[in-house]
Amino acid sequence: TQLLEQSPQFLSIQEGENLTVYCNSSSVFSSLQWYRQEPGEGPVLLVTVVTGGEVKKLKRLTFQFGDARKDSSLHITAAQPGDTGLYLCAGPGPGTASKLTFGTGTRLQVTL
Amino acid sequence: GAVVSQHPSWVICKSGTSVKIECRSLDFQATTMFWYRQFPKQSLMLMATSNEGSKATYEQGVEKDKFLINHASLTLSTLTVTSAHPEDSSFYICSPREADEQFFGPGTRLTVL
Repeated sequence: TQLLEQSPQFLSIQEGENLTVYCNSSSVFSSLQWYRQEPGEGPVLLVTVVTGGEVKKLKRLTFQFGDARKDSSLHITAAQPGDTGLYLCAGPGPGTASKLTFGTGTRLQVTL
Repeated sequence: GAVVSQHPSWVICKSGTSVKIECRSLDFQATTMFWYRQFPKQSLMLMATSNEGSKATYEQGVEKDKFLINHASLTLSTLTVTSAHPEDSSFYICSPREADEQFFGPGTRLTVL
């Protein structure tokens, strides 16, 4: 079974703090994606990483794909209340690359 | 950008009734449609995959006779929850795919009393 385990499951921090969310698997992925989902809405794509060791930055968010392409991390600098939401990593498969399997999710709450 | 709509956005029904959820890709053609289910405080779980004009392929543990999927056109797919029960209460999200890009609908909240 191709599992994407995220940690932590839940994170409550104050505005201005930094945080890192991890997405780990025992399987190798050709690519990984990160999504953010707000309550009552569908997930929104933040980034896709495709190369082992790749680092991508999106304003205060930094995404990294592990060298072995089995893990990824999302680092948020100076978190803001608007960053609150469910963060999901996702990868293709199993069985067919057209499927997308989601990680277990990390719920982030940023308070003033 | 790609626009995906789902209707209804929320529905409350009595146990034993059937509920149909529509998913439309408004400005692109979805060759493949994925349906996900999300229970409170959990991640998205893939229920089934369908290609236009073909029968859906269901994930293990998902009853195909209970969750009827129709993907009759490249812009419309429906998910019908038949004889719904309280344990079917969930957030259902469609995800149409065009070429290598996958998009997500805004979701439908189903509550079965």
